[in-house]
Amino acid sequence: GAVVSQHPSRVICKSGTSVKIECRSLDFQATTMFWYRQFPKKSLMLMATSNEGSKATYEQGVEKDKFLINHASLTLSTLTVTSAHPEDSSFYICSARTAANGYTFGSGTRLTVV
Amino acid sequence: GENVEQHPSTLSVQEGDSAVIKCTYSDSASNYFPWYKQELGKRPQLIIDIRSNVGEKKDQRIAVTLNKTAKHFSLHITETQPEDSAVYFCAASTEGNKLVFGAGTILRVKS
Repeated sequence: GAVVSQHPSRVICKSGTSVKIECRSLDFQATTMFWYRQFPKKSLMLMATSNEGSKATYEQGVEKDKFLINHASLTLSTLTVTSAHPEDSSFYICSARTAANGYTFGSGTRLTVV
Repeated sequence: GENVEQHPSTLSVQEGDSAVIKCTYSDSASNYFPWYKQELGKRPQLIIDIRSNVGEKKDQRIAVTLNKTAKHFSLHITETQPEDSAVYFCAASTEGNKLVFGAGTILRVKS
């Protein structure tokens, strides 16, 4: 089946630094990648939709300058959390639509900002 | 945009009993309704899905029903087992578009 590989699985960074999260579609081409964040015991909240070769579309309330999304190829989308602060600590997860018209998820990234 | 509401937020059942989780959606254009099971710190796992041209779908102990007119869909788990304990999310989308999730239901199956 369609697989999305997400790295890193866990990252701890200092306040003020930036962190990049990668999602790769391993056996299919993902023209669209969705990025979610999930706080403990909460639901997955869509942050943005990235499209290969064009600018990402951000959901209301999500700072595009803070959460930089790049979708430079059909198999790679990246999310960079810039100037991270403790309140950015969360579980970030990507998802791609598959040819079977379902959605496949990455394994998630647990970000802790200290 | 789409809004998905999910109830109950927590559900406790005895092993062997049935569990029902309900969701409503707002966008009549939505046509894909998956259900996910998520364990702590893990990715959501698809357990069943339904498209708007179907009213019911079953896979062993799990079934989903969809009422397009009322814009609600439900997850039914029969003969619950302790390993069914997890967080369950419903979601809705229009084909190929973003998936909007419900708030989640914590299911506890007591043995």
